[in-house]
Amino acid sequence: QKEVEQNSGPLSVPEGAIASLNCTYSDRGSQSFFWYRQYSGKSPELIMSIYSNGDKEDGRFTAQLNKASQYVSLLIRDSQPSDSATYLCAGHPSNTGKLIFGQGTTLQVKP
Amino acid sequence: SAVISQKPSRDICQRGTSLTIQCQVDSQVTMMFWYRQQPGQSLTLIATANQGSEATYESGFVIDKFPISRPNLTFSTLTVSNMSPEDSSIYLCSVELTQGYGYTFGSGTRLTVV
Repeated sequence: QKEVEQNSGPLSVPEGAIASLNCTYSDRGSQSFFWYRQYSGKSPELIMSIYSNGDKEDGRFTAQLNKASQYVSLLIRDSQPSDSATYLCAGHPSNTGKLIFGQGTTLQVKP
Repeated sequence: SAVISQKPSRDICQRGTSLTIQCQVDSQVTMMFWYRQQPGQSLTLIATANQGSEATYESGFVIDKFPISRPNLTFSTLTVSNMSPEDSSIYLCSVELTQGYGYTFGSGTRLTVV
């Protein structure tokens, strides 16, 4: 079992819709999680971090964490074509400083 | 937040040769991380580089193939040795922004082995 798992997609949504990206993790001791956005040919860019159960909102982005279900999600409201990218979920395994990535979900926002 | 300069940005190399990738950070950091991103894939951690000690390698990666240096708190190198076409990937260095607040990445090195 991979430590962090995502559906590779592609996920296609129309412009203006809500995009929902999901991630599960296997290590119950993991404390912090991150969402990165990666445009083709570019490095990953950190867009959200979450450490506590519940929701965290930043502009059009909402990260959700459910430690009991070992589930992390990212909601993008009012999706724009410029949001089309690969979204990578990442977490810290217990007591390590390293960051482990899921396989990424490709999002396509259609005008 | 830390700014990372990584070079070269890309290179085309002959099989059997080696390439050294450099990563310079504009502030002192305890740990630096090296990742590989194969075409169409996600990021795989190669190793963690701590200043003053040997790098810690992940399963599937060995020091002979990917030697790492970490001479000070702002600099690291990754060498890809005895390259084969299977080593064609993007290699990225990364540092922690602030403890527990995520990592930032260099611009990456796109390596093609022919």
